[in-house]
Amino acid sequence: DGGITQSPKYLFRKEGQNVTLSCEQNLNHDAMYWYRQDPGQGLRLIYYSQIVNDFQKGDIAEGYSVSREKKESFPLTVTSAQKNPTAFYLCASSMGSGRAFYNEQFFGPGTRLTVL
Amino acid sequence: KNEVEQSPQNLTAQEGEFITINCSYSVGISALHWLQQHPGGGIVSLFMLSSGKKKHGRLIATINIQEKHSSLHITASHPRDSAVYICAVPETSGSRLTFGEGTQLTVNP
Repeated sequence: DGGITQSPKYLFRKEGQNVTLSCEQNLNHDAMYWYRQDPGQGLRLIYYSQIVNDFQKGDIAEGYSVSREKKESFPLTVTSAQKNPTAFYLCASSMGSGRAFYNEQFFGPGTRLTVL
Repeated sequence: KNEVEQSPQNLTAQEGEFITINCSYSVGISALHWLQQHPGGGIVSLFMLSSGKKKHGRLIATINIQEKHSSLHITASHPRDSAVYICAVPETSGSRLTFGEGTQLTVNP
């Protein structure tokens, strides 16, 4: 079955620690995205990548880092510099680079990160 | 920046009712996304449309590019339709999506 997987589903970390969220897709999509959602709020774009070895900052990139070494993988690292990391993180992918946001996006199940 | 407004914010219906959720945006675009977010948090893409109407089962989405308005209709609503419905439009730069705040739909049996 084609799809997007995110792991883990729930993640707890101590304040001051970096943590990496996994996102893998087997849809052969060029573009991948990371969004953050806070309770009662809409999705906000953290980073996106339209092609391997290239990525762009979204609206709230501070305190986060990403890599895109393989087409199917787009891990997100939440660093200790992120002031309020507790949130729900969603990964998505879509076909096509260039005007990626004009293509249908397919979402993973999400990871709930809690900082203790 | 495109402004996206959804209405209503909350909607409660009885099973079987016809549901309409509206989305208006401020800057002309060539595509609009409708998404569904279930209570567990997972998001499913329902439609992406650039003109006219699309239908998947009991869901119908329409868009009027000239009026900068889209509607999502659910016919014969069912409790399993209870979710948050979100519309999103690309920025004219094509560098991100602007999301509406979502419509919380509750369908009671």
